[in-house]
Amino acid sequence: QLTQSPSSLSASVGDRLTITCRASQSISIYLNWYQQKSGKAPKLLIYTTSNLQGGVPSRFSGSGSGTDFTLTISSLQPEDVATYYCQQSYTTPTFGQGTKVEIK
Amino acid sequence: EVHLLESGGDFVQPGGSLRLSCAASGFTFYSHTMNWVRQAPGKGLEWVSAIRITGGNTYYIDSVKGRFTISGDNSKNTIYLQMNSLRAEDTAVYYCAKTIDESSSIFDIWGQGTMVTVSS
Repeated sequence: QLTQSPSSLSASVGDRLTITCRASQSISIYLNWYQQKSGKAPKLLIYTTSNLQGGVPSRFSGSGSGTDFTLTISSLQPEDVATYYCQQSYTTPTFGQGTKVEIK
Repeated sequence: EVHLLESGGDFVQPGGSLRLSCAASGFTFYSHTMNWVRQAPGKGLEWVSAIRITGGNTYYIDSVKGRFTISGDNSKNTIYLQMNSLRAEDTAVYYCAKTIDESSSIFDIWGQGTMVTVSS
């Protein structure tokens, strides 16, 4: 089971954001992050904890291992408004419940 | 360009059946695992099923075992999800997604989704 926090947040353009994902047991580094904009399919941002998917801006980064992981947006942009999901690929794939990011 | 296109979503009564299709293009179909991931209205993402194109191994979430069947047609670069004994809780957008390689569960390409509504 994956638990994300917070469930939602509101921040200003340029702010640094951190979203956390906690696994109920160790998943090594097999944690991925997706961005889903309203009405669209999810998009892979980061895989295996910290690998940036091609075409994803460098303001996105990931870290962690074992049970605790983070997604960081170094400088929030208007186009980052979305819901972000973590997903473990260590066993049968499961997703976190999502974190909705809005602009103040 | 890598592309996935789902079709087959519809409105169906409880207990009914539906077959979803996902047509793939722009990549070597048999070098990946193909998946179905669903999202109920206003809810999060839930992996449903997967098929390893090479070998044909299939996998399912517990809640659909015995009701859903995933299959693939290499000649058409298409996968299918046969859904029987549908329940209200199966109502969702169903996305087709490919993995980054055959052995992982990292979903790098997604289709646009097809809506399945189960209601009386």
